[in-house]
Amino acid sequence: DIVMTQSPDSLAVSLGERATINCKSSQSVLYNSNNKNYLSWYQQKSGQPPKLLIDWASTRESGVPDRFSGSGSGTNFTLTISSLQAEDVAVYYCQQYYDTPFTFGPGTRVDI
Amino acid sequence: EVQMLESGGGLVQPGGSLRLSCVASGFAFSTFAMHWVRQAPGKGLEWVSEISYGGRSTYTADSVKGRFTTSRDNSKATLYLQMSSLRADDTAVYYCAKSAVATTPWAAFDSWGQGTKVTVSS
Repeated sequence: DIVMTQSPDSLAVSLGERATINCKSSQSVLYNSNNKNYLSWYQQKSGQPPKLLIDWASTRESGVPDRFSGSGSGTNFTLTISSLQAEDVAVYYCQQYYDTPFTFGPGTRVDI
Repeated sequence: EVQMLESGGGLVQPGGSLRLSCVASGFAFSTFAMHWVRQAPGKGLEWVSEISYGGRSTYTADSVKGRFTTSRDNSKATLYLQMSSLRADDTAVYYCAKSAVATTPWAAFDSWGQGTKVTVSS
């Protein structure tokens, strides 16, 4: 199984400041034939289902504010919130869909 | 608008069975692979299973293999999770989720239901 790890476990950021979450996979999730990273990021607010923010490591979903960005390739990935807003308080998960089981990272809690 | 509504959760004794359903609308259900994902109280997300768009193939997490079966009825736009030999550690909110890309499971999950709660306890 591909193991996903995230750091930090939690972080507190002031409003308007940058938040950076790291995600690492135990093996590469880059599919060489199409040069795509099979890596997504989700946001889960309290009491709600997860919401897809970014897939293919860096493609923002329609309607997701552009303060959210994803980067990285292979085994190392980053989710950046460029200017934290109050509504961004949530737990963020990375996930690989390169191979079954489609594993998630343990999550990173972001607070103000 | 894509919508998915899970049902069938509840309280069940250890060793018991339960069938979850997920009724989908707002998209061509029969052309998308579907997934079940669960979340134990206060814990993270755990992928449970996937079923291909036609229903002919499934993948299941080792933690539930041999106990949980995933199926679908495309004529009813409904996904199912048959759970048996339930254990306390199966207690969780169970979400259905849709693959973001038609005809393949190798994609992110772009829509999620609200979840149904399963509690396994005597």
